[in-house]
Amino acid sequence: DIQMTQSPSSLSASVGDRVTITCQASQDISKYLNWYQQKPGKAPKLLIYDASNLETGVPSRFSGSGSGTDFTFTISSLQPEDIATYYCQQYDNLPVTFGPGTKVDIK
Amino acid sequence: QVQLQESGPGLVKPSQTLSLTCTVSGGSISSGSYYWSWIRQPAGKGLEWIGRIYTSGSTNYNPSLKSRITISVDTSKNQFSLKLSSVTAADTAVYYCATHVGWFDPWGQGTLVTVSS
Repeated sequence: DIQMTQSPSSLSASVGDRVTITCQASQDISKYLNWYQQKPGKAPKLLIYDASNLETGVPSRFSGSGSGTDFTFTISSLQPEDIATYYCQQYDNLPVTFGPGTKVDIK
Repeated sequence: QVQLQESGPGLVKPSQTLSLTCTVSGGSISSGSYYWSWIRQPAGKGLEWIGRIYTSGSTNYNPSLKSRITISVDTSKNQFSLKLSSVTAADTAVYYCATHVGWFDPWGQGTLVTVSS
């Protein structure tokens, strides 16, 4: 299985701050990396697919980059409604695997 | 717009079989090149992909659960189903169904299944 790691595991930032989360795969996964946002009690929501493509309807303050084994997810200006846990997910190989998540809250 | 809804018992006894159904609305489960997946999440923990089915009936399962999983599809009812046998407390989780095209979107709202006597 491809192992996914994320850092940090949690972060606290102020409204308007730039927030960056990294995701690393245990082997080359090309661009096959997606990002999700999960709020408490809700299903995950797709934000970014194929490393850098913004899902329709998702605010442009969210972005993703990277390829191979190293990926970055960025919120350019943190908003109160962005409080959530963020997960990366690879689909280069089965089984599909997720990162352990990064919990983001407001300082 | 496709929507998914999980249904099934919220409580299952240890050693028994967990059975869940995902009903797809707003579109045909047979149309498009989609897989249909199950994913679970224990309370306070991360996401685990369980397995998927294509409308042809071909399946892929997570090796960690493969010996206990069966995923099937009923195109006449626009549904797909999960059976997980020999459950233990470790199988207690919120179970989600989702459309799978590399990424998962959309998702059902999730259903909590507790394994307890």
